[in-house]
Amino acid sequence: DADVTQTPRNRITKTGKRIMLECSQTKGHDRMYWYRQDPGLGLQLIYYSFDVKDINKGEISDGYSVSRQAQAKFSLSLESAIPNQTALYFCATSAERGGGNEQFFGPGTRLTVL
Amino acid sequence: KQEVTQIPAALSVPEGENLVLNCSFTDSAIYNLQWFRQDPGKGLTSLLLIQSSQREQTSGRLNASLDKSSGRSTLYIAASQPGDSATYLCAVETSGSRLTFGEGTQLTVNP
Repeated sequence: DADVTQTPRNRITKTGKRIMLECSQTKGHDRMYWYRQDPGLGLQLIYYSFDVKDINKGEISDGYSVSRQAQAKFSLSLESAIPNQTALYFCATSAERGGGNEQFFGPGTRLTVL
Repeated sequence: KQEVTQIPAALSVPEGENLVLNCSFTDSAIYNLQWFRQDPGKGLTSLLLIQSSQREQTSGRLNASLDKSSGRSTLYIAASQPGDSATYLCAVETSGSRLTFGEGTQLTVNP
């Protein structure tokens, strides 16, 4: 079984709809992240969380919100989706390991906003 | 603001060739550098992580080096195979466990 799972894997929605993307992990990591990937732009950090009570904005948080329901679950919401939020979304996890902080990624959610 | 650049953007080589992918970053105050592989439409697979105090890491046919002072890293792939075809991304970790990614090098290994 995958260590980091994302649901749904694909989603098509309409402008103005509320969308929630979910991420779960079985790695026991305390840190979780949401990124989006656009062609030609690489990955950009949306939000990150170091534990259940610690949530931080990343580079491009406008239009997004997150919820860390438990150590193993981190959800990303688009309150009112717009077409330029069409992208590939990745969840990642990590744990501090003596100076290293290797991040492990989920399979991604492809979101299309019409 | 940290910026990460990967050269070349795309590379096509015949099977069996040794190759080098390049990554440069503008701010040398990094905690570590991580190389990933991404297959089309798929997630990222971590290949190697080099801590800031290290010079290189090896895993099988892969060897990654880090020269923090000059802001450079290379990923060396020995005896390339068609199964190595993918996009390779490098990312540097700065304060707050934040990764800054390059745009990737798309590698094609031809049989």
